[in-house]
Amino acid sequence: KNEVEQSPQNLTAQEGEFITINCSYSVGISALHWLQQHPGGGIVSLFMLSSGKKKHGRLIATINIQEKHSSLHITASHPRDSAVYICAVREINTGNQFYFGTGTSLTVIP
Amino acid sequence: DADVTQTPRNRITKTGKRIMLECSQTKGHDRMYWYRQDPGLGLRLIYYSFDVKDINKGEISDGYSVSRQAQAKFSLSLESAIPNQTALYFCATSDAGRPGDTQYFGPGTRLTVL
Repeated sequence: KNEVEQSPQNLTAQEGEFITINCSYSVGISALHWLQQHPGGGIVSLFMLSSGKKKHGRLIATINIQEKHSSLHITASHPRDSAVYICAVREINTGNQFYFGTGTSLTVIP
Repeated sequence: DADVTQTPRNRITKTGKRIMLECSQTKGHDRMYWYRQDPGLGLRLIYYSFDVKDINKGEISDGYSVSRQAQAKFSLSLESAIPNQTALYFCATSDAGRPGDTQYFGPGTRLTVL
């Protein structure tokens, strides 16, 4: 069973395009995180959301708690945005368990 | 200097060997985690520790053990490595005092078991 589902699995875009990555989850959560994994393997946290919307530069993350859905948007995409984007949720019932999506591999072509 | 470091970064070993992966952090966080990442699968939790005296099994703890030697150090051991433990291993930390538990990841250790 997959507690966190992401779509699409792979995404190729032209530089400048608006990109949306989706995340759906099936458990009650206290927070949802968007992570970025670089081609070299390193993982960094982009956003932590418990409600509403957050914006950082060209990245926007939204969450709808009722629908158990989150989206990550990238405006004016750039080749340096090429990475794997991972959605993770912190389950509220177990207290501290994190569940991760399998990631969306994004390639932005110049 | 990186806040979360892992050693070694790469390791090739043979079936049956004992392997230890080490993680150190300078962030002063109480919580530390070990995950493995396999192609096509999400990160999966192996063990986690909320302080030096608190160790908990995660989703896939069989075949692994851990030691929390100090607040800053959390080691993962494979007592007798097997090929299906070939994976990318990540250590992470988080601050219990901050809501949402944002995790800070180490650079990863690529382990190959032949």
